[in-house]
Amino acid sequence: KNEVEQSPQNLTAQEGEFITINCSYSVGISALHWLQQHPGGGIVSLFMLSSGKKKHGRLIATINIQEKHSSLHITASHPRDSAVYICAWQIQGAQKLVFGQGTRLTINP
Amino acid sequence: DAGVIQSPRHEVTEMGQEVTLRCKPISGHDYLFWYRQTMMRGLELLIYFNNNVPIDDSGMPEDRFSAKMPNASFSTLKIQPSEPRDSAVYFCASSPHPKVQPQHFGDGTRLSIL
Repeated sequence: KNEVEQSPQNLTAQEGEFITINCSYSVGISALHWLQQHPGGGIVSLFMLSSGKKKHGRLIATINIQEKHSSLHITASHPRDSAVYICAWQIQGAQKLVFGQGTRLTINP
Repeated sequence: DAGVIQSPRHEVTEMGQEVTLRCKPISGHDYLFWYRQTMMRGLELLIYFNNNVPIDDSGMPEDRFSAKMPNASFSTLKIQPSEPRDSAVYFCASSPHPKVQPQHFGDGTRLSIL
């Protein structure tokens, strides 16, 4: 049983569209992470958040602790945003992460 | 900063052989994590260290897997004997303090066991 559920599993959109990827979890967490993995495999940490909202460039991450839900938004999407986006939660009191299955995003020009 | 360095990037070997994966964390990062990524199971934590001491190895699949961190700048993940089902991408990551700072991932080692 995966305790982190991501949706959608796959998403294809046109350049310029606003993108939303969702992540739900089932237990109390200390932080939620959003990661990006490009073809070729490297993993980059985009956000680590425990409340509210964070923004970096065209990327915005939000979290609602009461609803156990987080979203990753991409504004003005671009083909270079094509990647797998993975959410992961960090259980309270622990150092390790539990990962979702990822969302494969494809942005067509 | 050079980032987390893993070697080799690719490894192809025959079933039954010993495989050793290597990781150099970012200097000053007290935590080191080993992950495995497969199509079926996604990313999974295998083991993590704090100050060179293994803290949680509950994700290590079986006795064929072992990990060591002899010093703050080097860790190994060993599989002996290897099996085809061990084929995966293995990532190493490090962090100065995972509760408040994100993990930095290496580029991974793509392992194929024939």
